[in-house]
Amino acid sequence: DVKVTQSSRYLVKRTGEKVFLECVQDMDHENMFWYRQDPGLGLRLIYFSYDVKMKEKGDIPEGYSVSREKKERFSLILESASTNQTSMYLCASSFSSAGKDSDTQYFGPGTRLTVL
Amino acid sequence: AQSVSQHNHHVILSEAASLELGCNYSYGGTVNLFWYVQYPGQHLQLLLKYFSGDPLVKGIKGFEAEFIKSKFSFNLRKPSVQWSDTAEYFCAVRYSSASKIIFGSGTRLSIRP
Repeated sequence: DVKVTQSSRYLVKRTGEKVFLECVQDMDHENMFWYRQDPGLGLRLIYFSYDVKMKEKGDIPEGYSVSREKKERFSLILESASTNQTSMYLCASSFSSAGKDSDTQYFGPGTRLTVL
Repeated sequence: AQSVSQHNHHVILSEAASLELGCNYSYGGTVNLFWYVQYPGQHLQLLLKYFSGDPLVKGIKGFEAEFIKSKFSFNLRKPSVQWSDTAEYFCAVRYSSASKIIFGSGTRLSIRP
């Protein structure tokens, strides 16, 4: 079974703090993704990565950065947290090569971040 | 612009009722289509997907979806819902010209026991 784990289920931070959200997958997936999930807005892509040390901006990258130093780990960084970044953050991973399972994203349990 | 729409934000049904959740995507060529489900307190997981071939796709837990190319739709159906189907359902699309998957805003399904 594919397993995607996220470092925290719940996190409370103060405005201006630097926040690190960690994601690890154990299926040797090339692709990794960070989304935020807000009621009525669905999932919005923040950043994604197709390879180690590679990153691409998604739809809402402002205020975020990412790091992928190892294939299995993809970190989301909030350089200076703000109250409008209070949200549920979901990490996902997938294979990139063509095949039956390509494009299927496997999600972690999510981190609910509250910024006060 | 490439997009996907789910017009039902919240659907309330009684047990044993039939379900159809709408999903439409904007024109943009060849697509891969998905339905994901998020049960309360659980991970998002894949229900079913369409890449090519038979436009009627069967997924887990008795769900199915039909790809109608002329209508740009991929509606999710289940003939008889159970209380355990209470969840949020997300339609998603990947256009062949794009590298990312676009998710709809989700439909919350509540089942009255």
